[in-house]
Amino acid sequence: ETGVTQSPTHLIKTRGQQVTLRCSSQSGHNTVSWYQQALGQGPQFIFQYYREEENGRGNFPPRFSGLQFPNYSSELNVNALELDDSALYLCASSFRQGDNEQFFGPGTRLTVL
Amino acid sequence: RKEVEQDPGPFNVPEGATVAFNCTYSNSASQSFFWYRQDCRKEPKLLMSVYSSGNEDGRFTAQLNRASQYISLLIRDSKLSDSATYLCVVTSYNQGGKLIFGQGTELSVKP
Repeated sequence: ETGVTQSPTHLIKTRGQQVTLRCSSQSGHNTVSWYQQALGQGPQFIFQYYREEENGRGNFPPRFSGLQFPNYSSELNVNALELDDSALYLCASSFRQGDNEQFFGPGTRLTVL
Repeated sequence: RKEVEQDPGPFNVPEGATVAFNCTYSNSASQSFFWYRQDCRKEPKLLMSVYSSGNEDGRFTAQLNRASQYISLLIRDSKLSDSATYLCVVTSYNQGGKLIFGQGTELSVKP
């Protein structure tokens, strides 16, 4: 196991609702990245956090937002949920900003009805 | 056009077979290259990095051709436990830490 944990493991929401997903990075890692993986697709980069600041963002609308805390854990918030937001959300931590070696958590499976 | 494209799957092969996966990338500024493995409903895990000189790890061989912007993964003597989805991943020099994944190729190894 990588030491990266995510909660919850599964979640069911309805359109228009808001959701918060949580991630605890591996010990000693100060950078957290979030990815969205739709069924049958590869993960897509949402954004990365380093020292509590957003450090790079993929092609996702502003209703996807995040936070990183002083202990390097992180949250992903999605507002105004849409059906297409149904996916596996993966958190990955790395030792430092810019590191390509990333360790993934088990993911949160979000279903939007 | 997607930044990273992989062979469509699934690949169904018998145990002991040799199987090759191909991947192309569109950004010539891509800097680092990897193969990840993802088991059903689990998180991706790094299988191996890919270097211009090619690299081998047991039954797995990865090759990179920068001129053709092409990456490959060869698995020899397939085992049942190799059944998984294989993801091709690239990063760019100026976007360190942003992993760009292909859509993945599913491999099923049968007895």
